[in-house]
This record gives sequence, structure tokens and C-alpha cells, in this order.
Amino acid sequence: NAGVTQTPKFHILKTGQSMTLQCAQDMNHGYLSWYRQDPGMGLRRIHYSVAAGITDKGEVPDGYNVSRSNTEDFPLRLESAAPSQTSVYFCASCGRKWPEPMFFGPGTRLTVL
Amino acid sequence: KNEVEQSPQNLTAQEGEFITINCSYSVGISALHWLQQHPGGGIVSLFMLSSGKKKHGRLIATINIQEKHSSLHITASHPRDSAVYICAVSPMYSGGGADGLTFGKGTHLIIQP
Repeated sequence: NAGVTQTPKFHILKTGQSMTLQCAQDMNHGYLSWYRQDPGMGLRRIHYSVAAGITDKGEVPDGYNVSRSNTEDFPLRLESAAPSQTSVYFCASCGRKWPEPMFFGPGTRLTVL
Repeated sequence: KNEVEQSPQNLTAQEGEFITINCSYSVGISALHWLQQHPGGGIVSLFMLSSGKKKHGRLIATINIQEKHSSLHITASHPRDSAVYICAVSPMYSGGGADGLTFGKGTHLIIQP
């Protein structure tokens, strides 16, 4: 199993550009979430999904969109990037029977100029 | 709102020392996680516990539910233990699900040879 994969690892965007961060898991996990990690702050959840077709907002959802068309994939879309979205983004998953360990992807370092 | 406080924020120690990192939280929880993040690296789940104590190699995690406090201990510390250690809790009110997970800001540990 690859676990949780994320692409790309690094990316530089200009203000106003759009992009999609990809997240995929092959563990048949129901729960998937996106977090951002900024210096001096704990991980903050952006959006999450408990199953295909169901998504919900986390703590800091503004400027981000998600979709969950199947169990495996959970892309994060930035429609019009802003410098405040410069961050490291992590996708995480866990199984359907809580509590279970969380599995994190390797992260995407995004810079918005 | 659940608050998760970690102490210390930064810790530098000599190889071989016994290390303790603390985590306090403010609401009843269903599970507490200890995570490890190496510099520039991904996040790995070390422990998930809801009571008592768990041990894995040189790492020990304990939790006191009544006092709302958990500790992560590292025995015979080694430079490869240098990392950020993150505490995360799932509040009881969330039904125990991952959707309520709240993270501490992390403890930055450096073990000098």
C-alpha cells in the first residue's frame, strides 16, 4: 500500500492563479481531511470528508474548495490564490471505526507570490 | 472550544537524556494522539490512546483522563529523535470522530550528540 499520497511536493503560484492539490489514499479509509501548517500555529483543518459524496468545512475553509467523488481521492482546489495561502498542506486519512490512527501524506509546500 | 497546550515549546537536550513533553487539554476527549514530524518531513502517528500508558521502543505515552493531561517520554534520547512532537485530541462531544480533532502547536526537540 502507498498509504496517503500527495502531489505536487512543491509549487509556486502567482496571486490570482488557480491550482488543485491532489490527495489519494489506498487504505479504504472513509475519513479524509486537508490541513494547513503555518509557523507558530498548530495544524488547522481546511475541509474534510467522512465518505464519498460528503464534504464539510473545517476551521479555515475560505478560499478553498473540495470534492469527494470516490473513496480514494480528495482534491483541494484554490480558485484564486492569495499570498495568505502560502503554507504547507497535509492530507490525512483514518479508518471508519474511530478512534483509529491518523495517516498523513508527505505534504505540499505551496508559495503564492 | 477545546484548547490543547503543549510544553515546552522548545527543548534542547544531550544525547542519552530522559525527555518529557507535556500536553494539556480543556474538554473531555475520546482519544489523544502523539505525532512526530521530522524537519522538512511528513507527519507520523506515534501513539493513539484513551487511557493508561503505551510503550513503543524507547517511547512511552501516558494519559490521565481526570487531570486532562498526557505526557510523551523518550528514554535514552538520540539525535535521530530530533523532531517536532505534536499532541492532538478528539473531543467527546464530536462523537469521538476525527472531525473534531484539535492540534497543539508542537514541541520542537533537538538532541545534541
